[in-house]
Amino acid sequence: EAGVAQSPRYKIIEKRQSVAFWCNPISGHATLYWYQQILGQGPKLLIQFQNNGVVDDSQLPKDRFSAERLKGVDSTLKIQPAKLEDSAVYLCASSLANGPWDEQFFGPGTRLTVL
Amino acid sequence: AQSVTQLGSHVSVSEGALVLLRCNYSSSVPPYLFWYVQYPNQGLQLLLKYTTGATLVKGINGFEAEFKKSETSFHLTKPSAHMSDAAEYFCAVSEAFGNQFYFGTGTSLTVIP
Repeated sequence: EAGVAQSPRYKIIEKRQSVAFWCNPISGHATLYWYQQILGQGPKLLIQFQNNGVVDDSQLPKDRFSAERLKGVDSTLKIQPAKLEDSAVYLCASSLANGPWDEQFFGPGTRLTVL
Repeated sequence: AQSVTQLGSHVSVSEGALVLLRCNYSSSVPPYLFWYVQYPNQGLQLLLKYTTGATLVKGINGFEAEFKKSETSFHLTKPSAHMSDAAEYFCAVSEAFGNQFYFGTGTSLTVIP
């Protein structure tokens, strides 16, 4: 079974530039999550999708971050414009259903460096 | 909002020694509890989880954790450390009602030969 795929694995940009990350979840997984993991901290949930609808985006900085999950499969997360404090690893995860007890399967992450 | 506290950002043990990684949560309502492991340049992988039932939960790679409601704790243990156990370990909590999933700040485990 293929795991969660993310690309790119690494990205370096200048502040005020835009960047986009892509995630392809495990086939058949209804729920998709985007997390931000700053160095030395645990992952922080940014947004959660159930199929192609948003379940929770309470911690997404909506003035600069946006995410979509077209057709309920893969997803993109965009930052526009980037700030220095956005430097982090962006993790995508998926789960089969939407219960709080469900195991989440994580991709390898995209490491973003903002200069 | 929940808070998840992992005592000790870095833990070192000798190969063959007991591994104990601590996790405490803040909720007064028993949540769902998870331990994830992250190897270098890899995504997080589930070690074990507690939902309901038996409070001692066994996971992969010989790890286990015990849910203690009175102490609001979910400490991770392994009787004998292997070199391959060196990784970052994250405790996570999911509330029984709601969609939020909270991670601790992680504990980096070093195994000394």
